[in-house]
Amino acid sequence: AQSVTQPDIHITVSEGASLELRCNYSYGATPYLFWYVQSPGQGLQLLLKYFSGDTLVQGIKGFEAEFKRSQSSFNLRKPSVHWSDAAEYFCAVGTFQLSFGAGTTVTVRA
Amino acid sequence: DAGVIQSPRHEVTEMGQEVTLRCKPISGHDYLFWYRQTMMRGLELLIYFNNNVPIDDSGMPEDRFSAKMPNASFSTLKIQPSEPRDSAVYFCASSRTGYGYTFGSGTRLTVV
Repeated sequence: AQSVTQPDIHITVSEGASLELRCNYSYGATPYLFWYVQSPGQGLQLLLKYFSGDTLVQGIKGFEAEFKRSQSSFNLRKPSVHWSDAAEYFCAVGTFQLSFGAGTTVTVRA
Repeated sequence: DAGVIQSPRHEVTEMGQEVTLRCKPISGHDYLFWYRQTMMRGLELLIYFNNNVPIDDSGMPEDRFSAKMPNASFSTLKIQPSEPRDSAVYFCASSRTGYGYTFGSGTRLTVV
């Protein structure tokens, strides 16, 4: 069975500060991992994905994620947060049938 | 590329009425997925199609829900009869390879 855990329900970060969102997964084989972002009233937008190869993955909007097989983790990072990064972030694992985490809501304070 | 297009954006209906949600996937994508998002249950996969054929509908909550994909450019999700507990945001997503979806903007359904 595949599953995703996002331990942090809500994170508040100051504009310009760094951000790290945690994601732990359970998957029976080599995982395909994804991060999505959802702004209020919008659909989910793919930030980045990991299939294989380099464990540090670059995505859109200045985000990156690092796959650590030994820790079953795929944490998302951004060095300097902008106010427009306030949104809900979802980690997902799977191939044709993605399992999504419960999401982490990010609030950016001025 | 217009993305995945869903209609309507918002739907308010009375309990017992039939509701039809529509989705136009990205041209050339051969996988289509229907998801439901609620505060309590998060994102749930309802059903997905490959080349217009339903592959897995195990997430469809009950017989009141049905989905069709008559051609590569159109899919519907129907709820008949609708109930208040069906209130949610319903997303359609498509993919060319099955890995990494593009989501539509969703339909917010309210059943009163």
